[in-house]
Amino acid sequence: KAGVTQTPRYLIKTRGQQVTLSCSPISGHRSVSWYQQTPGQGLQFLFEYFSETQRNKGNFPGRFSGRQFSNSRSEMNVSTLELGDSALYLCASMWGAGQETQYFGPGTRLLVL
Amino acid sequence: GESVGLHLPTLSVQEGDNSIINCAYSNSASDYFIWYKQESGKGPQFIIDIRSNMDKRQGQRVTVLLNKTVKHLSLQIAATQPGDSAVYFCAEILGGSQGNLIFGKGTKLSVKP
Repeated sequence: KAGVTQTPRYLIKTRGQQVTLSCSPISGHRSVSWYQQTPGQGLQFLFEYFSETQRNKGNFPGRFSGRQFSNSRSEMNVSTLELGDSALYLCASMWGAGQETQYFGPGTRLLVL
Repeated sequence: GESVGLHLPTLSVQEGDNSIINCAYSNSASDYFIWYKQESGKGPQFIIDIRSNMDKRQGQRVTVLLNKTVKHLSLQIAATQPGDSAVYFCAEILGGSQGNLIFGKGTKLSVKP
């Protein structure tokens, strides 16, 4: 079974632009979560989608948004990029109700110049 | 490979020795904990979990100890191997395994052959 895939793997943007990242969960997994990883703040939860609905949300500004499609694939969008948005963005899919059933993708490395 | 953190505490051990990685968690009400391993260029990988009603849990070559009195977790890796070289994170969850993950900063384990 293929793992969680994320595209693109690397991305360079400039301040003020917007970006869309994509995540394909493991087949059969209906929950997709997004995380931001930076050297300063570490790993932080952004939001979780289940059956096309946002089920949970972390403490990030409204510039960060996401959506999930009927095939469970998810996209994350960041508008009006800031330098501090440079990070590794990780997607994870979950087959059950508990975090122990969550599998992470390799991440998308975003650099904002 | 990618660096997941520039200022992480580092633990350097000799191959074959035992490793102990420590983590202080923040919320005394957290009732579920997970240890993750993150190799360069990859997302976090679940290693072992423990619930707050336990003090110790063992897996294959790994043991997690939980001290709720001082809000401390440790991960012990027996007979450390070069393949164990990675960054290790603890994560706490409030509300059982279905809550949101709050990650620690991580420790980089370096295994010398």
